[in-house]
Amino acid sequence: SQELEQSPQSLIVQEGKNLTINCTSSKTLYGLYWYKQKYGEGLIFLMMLQKGGEEKSHEKITAKLDEKKQQSSLHITASQPSHAGIYLCGADKSGGYQKVTFGIGTKLQVIP
Amino acid sequence: GAVVSQHPSRVICKSGTSVKIECRSLDFQATTMFWYRQFPKKSLMLMATSNEGSKATYEQGVEKDKFLINHASLTLSTLTVTSAHPEDSSFYICSAPHLAGDPDTQYFGPGTRLTVL
Repeated sequence: SQELEQSPQSLIVQEGKNLTINCTSSKTLYGLYWYKQKYGEGLIFLMMLQKGGEEKSHEKITAKLDEKKQQSSLHITASQPSHAGIYLCGADKSGGYQKVTFGIGTKLQVIP
Repeated sequence: GAVVSQHPSRVICKSGTSVKIECRSLDFQATTMFWYRQFPKKSLMLMATSNEGSKATYEQGVEKDKFLINHASLTLSTLTVTSAHPEDSSFYICSAPHLAGDPDTQYFGPGTRLTVL
């Protein structure tokens, strides 16, 4: 089965600092999704990456998928308290039908 | 844009009772919907795939008699937690692929927090 490893599991950064979260798959990914969540609340879909080498941005958040389509990174530039939350990566296990296996999540705290 | 709603947002019930959670696609049709659950401070786990007009497909380890899924129309899927027990307390989220819409976007419901006393 598709396994996703996400690191780090927890991250505390000073406001204004950059940070990176990684997501690694044991298999080639059909599609890789990034989400943000605050516990007890719904998911906020950030972006989807599908092509090897693809890079997308959403406000100050940039995500990249490597050429082999097995590793993705999420980078936040000049972090703000509003970026705090849980970041989850997800792999499409249904060839485009959006059936998702999730990583364990990265809890991000941004200290003002 | 496309919206997925869930009802109720929170429910508290007594052990042994059944609870129904609804997932609706508000402005598009969804032949498939997915149900996930999330334990406190854990990631989301796929429970089942809800298929309009046919039986749901359950992930390994998920009891189909415990978690009844009905996808009676193209805009509504329901998850019924039967004979709920405290270990069923969790956050349940649905998603509905909008295959005719933007393929790069996913739509999730806001979630239902179930607490079983």
